[in-house]
Amino acid sequence: AQSVTQLDSQVPVFEEAPVELRCNYSSSVSVYLFWYVQYPNQGLQLLLKYLSGSTLVKGINGFEAEFNKSQTSFHLRKPSVHISDTAEYFCAVSGSNTDKLIFGTGTRLQVFP
Amino acid sequence: EAGVAQSPRYKIIEKRQSVAFWCNPISGHATLYWYQQILGQGPKLLIQFQNNGVVDDSQLPKDRFSAERLKGVDSTLKIQPAKLEDSAVYLCASSPVGSYSNQPQHFGDGTRLSIL
Repeated sequence: AQSVTQLDSQVPVFEEAPVELRCNYSSSVSVYLFWYVQYPNQGLQLLLKYLSGSTLVKGINGFEAEFNKSQTSFHLRKPSVHISDTAEYFCAVSGSNTDKLIFGTGTRLQVFP
Repeated sequence: EAGVAQSPRYKIIEKRQSVAFWCNPISGHATLYWYQQILGQGPKLLIQFQNNGVVDDSQLPKDRFSAERLKGVDSTLKIQPAKLEDSAVYLCASSPVGSYSNQPQHFGDGTRLSIL
């Protein structure tokens, strides 16, 4: 079975500052990892995914994430955030034996001017 | 391409009433998912269809929730009777191919259900 832990429920940051949203997972099989963003009153939009290969994954809107197998982490980073990045961010995991996505509880990124 | 369509966007009912949600996935997508997202939590899978067959409904409260995907295209999720704890956003998602493909899921905007 898989599980996901997002350590920070809220992350406040000033515009143009760097940000890291943390995600740790557990799994007994090979994992596939995803970050989704949810803007208010909208569904989830895929930011990026790790399936295999290079551990550094680049996504949309300038985000990237690094898969670290030894630390079972998949932290999301952006070097310079914008006001428009204010949203809820969800880390999710699935495994080689299932389509089922297990989501974390989310991190609310609040960008201040 | 058109995205996943859901209706209604909002619904308010009293407890013990029934309610139904509708989802039309992206054209050609074989797999359809219904999620429940309670305020402050991540989405939780309720049921997964591949074409018109059920792949996983292990977390669907079958005493009150039901879902169908006739003809393998659009789907309805029903709650009868509703309880206060069913207040949540119900998200529909679809993906292109079948099981274990790890194709990203595409989400609709959801239906926000409030139970009074």
